[in-house]
Amino acid sequence: DGGITQSPKYLFRKEGQNVTLSCEQNLNHDAMYWYRQDPGQGLRLIYYSQIVNDFQKGDIAEGYSVSREKKESFPLTVTSAQKNPTAFYLCASTASTKIAKNIQYFGAGTRLSVL
Amino acid sequence: AQTVTQSQPEMSVQEAETVTLSCTYDTSESDYYLFWYKQPPSRQMILVIRQEAYKQQNATENRFSVNFQKAAKSFSLKISDSQLGDAAMYFCAYRSLEYGNKLVFGAGTILRVKS
Repeated sequence: DGGITQSPKYLFRKEGQNVTLSCEQNLNHDAMYWYRQDPGQGLRLIYYSQIVNDFQKGDIAEGYSVSREKKESFPLTVTSAQKNPTAFYLCASTASTKIAKNIQYFGAGTRLSVL
Repeated sequence: AQTVTQSQPEMSVQEAETVTLSCTYDTSESDYYLFWYKQPPSRQMILVIRQEAYKQQNATENRFSVNFQKAAKSFSLKISDSQLGDAAMYFCAYRSLEYGNKLVFGAGTILRVKS
């Protein structure tokens, strides 16, 4: 089945530790996105990538880093610089950013908590 | 920058009844897309319906329809014949054609369905 796979489902981070959230898609989509979801707030964009080896900061990129070495993979690293990382993280993808009507499809998310 | 406002943090509806969720947005653009996403307790984001701003006709998907008022910048979602499976968080989202498929989300409305 085609889709977006996020792993792990739950992740715990210790103080000063970097952790990486995985996002893999087999939809052959060009563009991929990372969103953060906090209680009582909508999703906020962290980073996005329109093509391989290129990515742009979203609205809340501080304390996060990404890479896009392969079309199907867009991992997100939550660094120790992110002081409030506890949140639900969602990865999404879309076929092409050149086609306006394209829909974003989402993974099942990763819940990150601080120990 | 575009903003999306959902003024109803929580709504309730009786099974088989109709409910309307409100959404307003702010933009200076004339062409854009609007979406309603559903997030059930599983937290998987599911697209409910999509509206293209240049189309005057309101979008409809089975029991789900929108009331799109472009001049008023309003985009409400009507759910008819509500079912227990409709209980979820609903997010309104805006996508500018200018910024490569990035979505701006409202804070969400929790919909509870009573049997």
